Amino acid sequence: DAEITQSPRHKITETGRQVTLACHQTWNHNNMFWYRQDLGHGLRLIHYSYGVQDTNKGEVSDGYSVSRSNTEDLPLTLESAASSQTSVYFCASSESGTGGYEQYFGPGTRLTVT
Amino acid sequence: AQSVTQLGSHVSVSEGALVLLRCNYSSSVPPYLFWYVQYPNQGLQLLLKYTTGATLVKGINGFEAEFKKSETSFHLTKPSAHMSDAAEYFCAVSGETSYDKVIFGPGTSLSVIP
Repeated sequence: DAEITQSPRHKITETGRQVTLACHQTWNHNNMFWYRQDLGHGLRLIHYSYGVQDTNKGEVSDGYSVSRSNTEDLPLTLESAASSQTSVYFCASSESGTGGYEQYFGPGTRLTVT
Repeated sequence: AQSVTQLGSHVSVSEGALVLLRCNYSSSVPPYLFWYVQYPNQGLQLLLKYTTGATLVKGINGFEAEFKKSETSFHLTKPSAHMSDAAEYFCAVSGETSYDKVIFGPGTSLSVIP
């Protein structure tokens, strides 16, 4: 069965370190998204991609970067981790074309920055 | 710009009682509407969606929602709550193409009292 996976599931890192969160999907979807989920803020879009070599900034992109070298993967990098980036991170993917396509979510990565 | 509001960040119902979770949206174009559910320590999964056609949409686990354009609402209901329905519920709206970002509401946490 097709799926979307994230690794690691839990990560503790120190302030200032670079961290990369992996996202891999086997749906063959063109669209991929990274969100962070924080109490009181719901889901906020960090970065998104509509295909290979395409990346776009979301509403909370400062301090984060992504790259899309193939269809399956969209890794999220925190350039210099800050305590404000402690959160649960979700990757999602969807088909492209006319609207109405659901997003398929990964299980999440809980990141703690100390 | 599109937006989503969910009335009540937390709703409690007794087991067997009606579940009603409210969602109102604003959109300048005919919207696509979604309800997602998130169980503890998991990613979001689709409950149901409205694209076109019948305004009463049935989803998984006995949930349904009705699209009311005149009220700009998409409320989620279930006739009889089960303990397993305890979760976070998110309403979402997107535009006409998959290039229109999905806007998520802030979420409603549902508790089911035995």
